[in-house]
Amino acid sequence: DGGITQSPKYLFRKEGQNVTLSCEQNLNHDAMYWYRQDPGQGLRLIYYSQIVNDFQKGDIAEGYSVSREKKESFPLTVTSAQKNPTAFYLCASSIWGSGNEQFFGPGTRLTVL
Amino acid sequence: AQKVTQAQTEISVVEKEDVTLDCVYETRDTTYYLFWYKQPPSGELVFLIRRNSFDEQNEISGRYSWNFQKSTSSFNFTITASQVVDSAVYFCALSEAQSSSGSRLTFGEGTQLTVNP
Repeated sequence: DGGITQSPKYLFRKEGQNVTLSCEQNLNHDAMYWYRQDPGQGLRLIYYSQIVNDFQKGDIAEGYSVSREKKESFPLTVTSAQKNPTAFYLCASSIWGSGNEQFFGPGTRLTVL
Repeated sequence: AQKVTQAQTEISVVEKEDVTLDCVYETRDTTYYLFWYKQPPSGELVFLIRRNSFDEQNEISGRYSWNFQKSTSSFNFTITASQVVDSAVYFCALSEAQSSSGSRLTFGEGTQLTVNP
């Protein structure tokens, strides 16, 4: 089945550690996105990538980093510089261009202990 | 700058009631797209509908219907005869066609709908 997978589903990290969240898609989409969701809030864009080896900062990129070495993969690293990393992280993909719906993965819930 | 507002934070209804979720948007573009997504307790967002700014026809799909009015910058979503399985967070989102960031979406804060048996 075509879709987006994110792993792990739950992730616990000690303060001061970097952690990488995985996102893989087999929809042959060029564009991929990372969002952060906090309780009672909407989704906020962290990074997005239009094409392999290219990515752009979203609204809340500080403390995060990404790479796009393969079309299918768009991993997100939460660095120790992110001051409040506990949140629900959602990955999405789409055909590039306005008006195209984004397809979402199941999400990763990150908790910093 | 574009903005989406969902003023209703939480709505609680009894099964079989009709319920309308409000969405108001702001944009300077003349061409844009509006979306509704559903987020069940599992967490994954599910796409429901997309409308472009040139198509103000209301749409009905089963128990769901959407009312798009450019004059009031609103894109409201109605569930008829609600069911317990409709319980979820619903998000309205906007994408501007003129934006250089392609299909980037701006989301509202979401409305938590609870349908009680």
